[in-house]
Amino acid sequence: AQSVTQLDSQVPVFEEAPVELRCNYSSSVSVYLFWYVQYPNQGLQLLLKYLSGSTLVKGINGFEAEFNKSQTSFHLRKPSVHISDTAEYFCAVSGVGGGFKTIFGAGTRLFVKA
Amino acid sequence: DAMVIQNPRYQVTQFGKPVTLSCSQTLNHNVMYWYQQKSSQAPKLLFHYYDKDFNNEADTPDNFQSRRPNTSFCFLDIRSPGLGDAAMYLCATSRTGVETQYFGPGTRLLVL
Repeated sequence: AQSVTQLDSQVPVFEEAPVELRCNYSSSVSVYLFWYVQYPNQGLQLLLKYLSGSTLVKGINGFEAEFNKSQTSFHLRKPSVHISDTAEYFCAVSGVGGGFKTIFGAGTRLFVKA
Repeated sequence: DAMVIQNPRYQVTQFGKPVTLSCSQTLNHNVMYWYQQKSSQAPKLLFHYYDKDFNNEADTPDNFQSRRPNTSFCFLDIRSPGLGDAAMYLCATSRTGVETQYFGPGTRLLVL
């Protein structure tokens, strides 16, 4: 079974500042990792994913994440945030060969201030 | 544009009155999922279909049922809604189980 821990429930940051949203996972098998974003009253939208290959993954809206197997982490970063990045961010994990279940973290609310 | 559509966006029902939520997709994906998301929480998987094969999560209450009459449509039936069932219900699809999931905008259910 897999589990996901998002270490920060809320992250306030000023516009144009860098941000890191932290995600740790546990799994007894190899994993696929995802970051999704959810704007108010909307469904989730994929930001980026790691399936295999390069551990640095680039996604939409200038976000990137790095898969660190030794630290079982998949932190999300953006060098300069905008007001429009204010949203809920979910880290998610699926076990390789584990079927159809994706486990979501509890979410991190990013609040970008002017 | 190919997409996942949920209707209605907002649903108000009375305690114990059956309700059906609808999801349709134009992506022609094999897998369709239903999630329940309560305020400030992670989406919780209720069940999924792979084609016509139905897979229920072990902790999904019997009060929740689902139907998938064809590839494009999937329904969530709540037989006797309780106050604790008030939540956002998200439908998602994926081509296979390990790929990106595409979410609809959700249906917010209010139980009076």
